[in-house]
Amino acid sequence: ETGVTQTPRHLVMGMTNKKSLKCEQHLGHNAMYWYKQSAKKPLELMFVYNFKEQTENNSVPSRFSPECPNSSHLFLHLHTLQPEDSALYLCASSHPLQRNTEAFFGQGTRLTVV
Amino acid sequence: TQLLEQSPQFLSIQEGENLTVYCNSSSVFSSLQWYRQEPGEGPVLLVTVVTGGEVKKLKRLTFQFGDARKDSSLHITAAQPGDTGLYLCAGATSGTYKYIFGTGTRLKVLA
Repeated sequence: ETGVTQTPRHLVMGMTNKKSLKCEQHLGHNAMYWYKQSAKKPLELMFVYNFKEQTENNSVPSRFSPECPNSSHLFLHLHTLQPEDSALYLCASSHPLQRNTEAFFGQGTRLTVV
Repeated sequence: TQLLEQSPQFLSIQEGENLTVYCNSSSVFSSLQWYRQEPGEGPVLLVTVVTGGEVKKLKRLTFQFGDARKDSSLHITAAQPGDTGLYLCAGATSGTYKYIFGTGTRLKVLA
C-alpha cells in the first residue's frame, strides 16, 4: 500500500464509450502524474500536474483528457478510444519541490478497449 | 529525446545465482532511481542515487551510479524467488522533477 489509490482496477470499454479513471492520494503531495504502461514499451509519461496546474502534456491525443480539481485527486477522462490504447494506466504523486523526490505509484487501472 | 536502455530485457535464473542489470543513456542525469514492479502492482522505489560513482546497498542489492551520471547498474547477490519482478530505472535531469523511465528488465528467479 503506497498511499495512492486508483479506481477502477480493471476497465473494459467500447470505442464509443466515455469513462473516467480516478486517482487519489492523501500523502500531502502536490505533484501528480499519469503514466501509460504498454507491453514491450517503456513507461510513458502522459501528464504532469504541479499544484493543480498542468505542467506537462507529452503529445497525448485529445481523446485523453486529464482533470486535477485539487492536489489530492486526479482524473483521466476517456472517450472514443482505440484498441491500441489498451494498457495499464498508472497514477503517481510526489513532492515536486524536493530534490530527488520519490514517486509513489498506485496499483494502476488495466484498461481494455474493445 | 532522452532514452534509458536497460539490459538484459529478460532474465531467468536459478535461486542462489548472482545477476547484474544495466541502465544506460547518452544523457546526464542529476539523479537516478531504481524501482521494482510486481504483477498487478505499480512500481515501488528501491533506491535513489545522486552522486557520480555512488554505490548504495540494500541487503542483497547493490546499486551503482556511473561516474559521468549517464548509467547505472543493479547487482543482486544470491537471488531469491521473491526478487522476481520488473526492474525499472528512471532518470531525472537537473532542475526537473520529471522522471524518464527505462525499458525495463523482467527477472524471474526459479526455486
